[in-house]
Amino acid sequence: NAGVTQTPKFQVLKTGQSMTLQCAQDMNHEYMSWYRQDPGMGLRLIHYSVGAGITDQGEVPNGYNVSRSTTEDFPLRLLSAAPSQTSVYFCASSYSKGTGAYEQYFGPGTRLTVT
Amino acid sequence: AQSVAQPEDQVNVAEGNPLTVKCTYSVSGNPYLFWYVQYPNRGLQFLLKYITGDNLVKGSYGFEAEFNKSQTSFHLKKPSALVSDSALYFCAVRDGSSNTGKLIFGQGTTLQVKP
Repeated sequence: NAGVTQTPKFQVLKTGQSMTLQCAQDMNHEYMSWYRQDPGMGLRLIHYSVGAGITDQGEVPNGYNVSRSTTEDFPLRLLSAAPSQTSVYFCASSYSKGTGAYEQYFGPGTRLTVT
Repeated sequence: AQSVAQPEDQVNVAEGNPLTVKCTYSVSGNPYLFWYVQYPNRGLQFLLKYITGDNLVKGSYGFEAEFNKSQTSFHLKKPSALVSDSALYFCAVRDGSSNTGKLIFGQGTTLQVKP
C-alpha cells in the first residue's frame, strides 16, 4: 500500500511552459484534492474531485486544470506556467461517503519553480 | 464561508513544559475539525480530529485538542513538549453539512521546542 504518490518531486519550468503534476492513490478513496503551499499562507485548495468524472474548483483554480478519469489518478495541469505558480504542491485523498468526517492523506509534495 | 485562523506564527516552549497551539474557526454548519503536522520537506500527517461527542480529543504522539463551541476554538495541546515535536502545525475545518469533503486550512503555526 503506497498511499498517495506524487511525481515529480522537483521541477523547474520556464515561463509559458506547460506540464502535468501526477498524483495517484491506491486506497480506493473517492475524494482527491490539490493544494499549493506558500510561506505564511498555509495550504490553499486548487481543485478537488469527489469521484471519477467529477471535479470542481477550490480557492485558487486560475491557471490550473484537472481531470479525474479513474478513481486512482488525479493529475494537475499547468497550461502556461507563470512565476506566481512557484510553490510546493500537495495532493491529498480521503474517503468521502457523504457527510463522513474522514481525514485526508497527503502525498510528499512537488516543489515547482517557474523562472 | 469556512475559515480558520491560527493567530500565532510561532510558538516557543521549553522541553518538558506544556504547549498550546491556538486555532479558531468559522463554518456555517456543524464543524469537523482536524490538526495536521508537517516536518521539514515532508507532506502533512494527520494528528487528530473532532466530529462530535467529548470535547477533549486525543490523538497521535501524545497530542490532544479541546473543542469549545462557544468560543469556536480547537486548540492543540500537549502536557509535556519534546524537542522532536518541533514542526509546522496546521488546523483545518470542514463543514459537516457538506458532502464535498473540502477542507480549509489555517496558515500554520511553527512550534519550536528548545532543550
